[in-house]
Amino acid sequence: SQKIEQNSEALNIQEGKTATLTCNYTNYSPAYLQWYRQDPGRGPVFLLLIRENEKEKRKERLKVTFDTTLKQSLFHITASQPADSATYLCAWGGGYQKVTFGTGTKLQVIP
Amino acid sequence: EPEVTQTPSHQVTQMGQEVILRCVPISNHLYFYWYRQILGQKVEFLVSFYNNEISEKSEIFDDQFSVERPDGSNFTLKIRSTKLEDSAMYFCASRIYSNQPQHFGDGTRLSIL
Repeated sequence: SQKIEQNSEALNIQEGKTATLTCNYTNYSPAYLQWYRQDPGRGPVFLLLIRENEKEKRKERLKVTFDTTLKQSLFHITASQPADSATYLCAWGGGYQKVTFGTGTKLQVIP
Repeated sequence: EPEVTQTPSHQVTQMGQEVILRCVPISNHLYFYWYRQILGQKVEFLVSFYNNEISEKSEIFDDQFSVERPDGSNFTLKIRSTKLEDSAMYFCASRIYSNQPQHFGDGTRLSIL
C-alpha cells in the first residue's frame, strides 16, 4: 500500500543550527509533495510545495528537496529559532485527491 | 489574508446525539475537505467535495457522516449518531484550484461523553 513516512518523531536542535527533516514515500510516485507546519491545537499551515520535476525549492529560511530516485524529500530550516518549534508534516496529494499526511516530526529549537 | 473559519472551537456531545460542525471556506475556493485528527495521531482524510457533490471519501466516512454546502459560504459535516471514538479534532480545508495547496481552519475539538 502507499505509504508516506517521517522517520523521526522528534528532533531537538540548538538555536542557530540547521534543522533537517526527512520524508520517505513508498509504492507511489507523487506529482508533488507538500510541507505543513502544525502548532498545538491549531490546523496545519501550508509552507512549501515541490513538484517532481523540481530538485529544490526555497522560501526565506526554508528549503525543500525532492529526490525521486531515493523517494525522499528533505525539509531544511536554516538559522533555526525557538519560534520554529512545531510539528512539521510531509504530505502528498493532488488534483481532486485528498492530502495524505505523514505522522509528523516534532521540532524543538533550544535557545 | 483570507482564512478558513470553523465553529464551534469545542463541541461536547453525549454519545448517540447528532452533531453538526460548521466551516466557512475561503470565498473563491472551489474544493472543500474534512479531515480529523485523533489526539496524538496523524491528520486523516474524511471527505472531499467539489461541484456540489462528494468527489472522494475514506473508509472512516460511513453512513453516519454527511456533508453539505447549504449556501454559497458554509460547508458542514454532520455526524448522525456519535460514538466515543468520534472524539477528535475535525479540520475543514479548502483550495482554489486542484493544483494548489489546501488551506486549513483551526479545527473543532469534538468530545463525545
